[in-house]
Parts: sequence; C-alpha cells; structure tokens
Amino acid sequence: QSVLTQPPSVSGAPGQRVTISCTGSSSNIGAGSDVHWYQQLPGTAPKLLIYINNNRPSGVPDRFSGSKSGTSGSLAITGLQAEDEAVYYCQSYDISLSGSVFGGGTNLTVL
Amino acid sequence: EVQLVESGGDLVQPGGSLRLSCAASGFSFSIYWMSWVRQAPGKGLEWVTNIKQDGSQKYYVDSVKGRFTISRDNAKNSLYLQMNSLGVGDTAVYYCARGGRHFDSWGQGTLVTVSS
Repeated sequence: QSVLTQPPSVSGAPGQRVTISCTGSSSNIGAGSDVHWYQQLPGTAPKLLIYINNNRPSGVPDRFSGSKSGTSGSLAITGLQAEDEAVYYCQSYDISLSGSVFGGGTNLTVL
Repeated sequence: EVQLVESGGDLVQPGGSLRLSCAASGFSFSIYWMSWVRQAPGKGLEWVTNIKQDGSQKYYVDSVKGRFTISRDNAKNSLYLQMNSLGVGDTAVYYCARGGRHFDSWGQGTLVTVSS
C-alpha cells in the first residue's frame, strides 16, 4: 500500500490526451510538499519528468505537464506517442515519515 | 554529463551484509544531497535513505532503520550504503540518485538478491 495513490493503468490512442492522478494526504502533498513525476521505460532506470509540481527538466517535451491542488497532483500528457508507453510514478515528501514517498506507479498503454 | 554508477550488488544469504557503492562524475558531488532508492522485482519505487552534502544529516525509511547506513566520501565523489541483517524483503535493484527531495539523475542500478 503506497502512501501516494495512483491509478494502476491508463490508456489512450496516439495523439490523445491522458492524465494521471496522484492522491496524497495532509502529511505530504496537503502539507505543502511538492509533487514530482518520473517516467520508467521497460528495463531502464527512472527518469525525472516533472519537478516541483510543474517544471520540466531540459529535454523533456512540453507535451508533459504537471499540476498540484490540495492533496493531489496530476500529470498530463498531450499528443500521445507510442514512445510514451512506460510506468509513471509520482513522488513527494512526507513530513510525518521524514522522508520521500512514491505512488505505486501507473502503467500507460498507447493503443 | 552527470553519471552515477552503482556497484556491489550480489546474492547474499538472509542475515548477511553487503556494501553498495555509487561513483559520481560530471558534477560537483559535494554540493548535492544524495539518496538511495530501491525497486523490488516487478514492484514500484521505494525511497530508502538520503544524506546531506556534508554527511551531517541522514534519514531512513522505517523498514531499514538500524540495519542500513548511508555514507559518502566527497573527496572520492562516492556514495555508499552499508546493509546489515538483510532479509528477503530487501531483494531489489538499488538506485543511487542525485537529490534529497526529488531525484534529477539516477544510476543504472545494482541488483541485491537475498536468498538461501
């Protein structure tokens, strides 16, 4: 049971828009902790996709965007491409645990 | 180019010990918090521990407190994880990651298998 809750899977056709939710609590996202997102392609290490809620590292396409509201964060992917098939994880900081916490991951399938 | 290269993963018996290393290059290692994150086979990511730039602050996930110790050598641009009293639940790929509150660079990981 992960501290942050994500849907196990989402899917969309090429070119469509999908969103992935990340629900936390008053001890992490709701306490003001930032939300970060990672993309993990099969057999590879995770890669930072969005940091501090809505910032993209250099090289990440602007098709990827993040937002945060209340106790939740959200990742949006527009113009879906086959190469976007991956597992996406959200992450935040939990003040009660004094450490980082991850969501369980969302498997994105491009139909 | 930022590079993080883990080593030290192995097959170890329950109750055994292992020391992981992470060699950093391509950035000023001494000015960054560093972390270890693990991923059990077929499972999600789990933050394990992190360490401040000068080693003065260290934090651990509850499940490894008292068993794992994180350390660093800024002169050698290296991060370490000493793991004692290993159990089957510690079986995972262990990633070295740059950062304390979020992780902007990751190594390729090193596999630790705890089994008799």
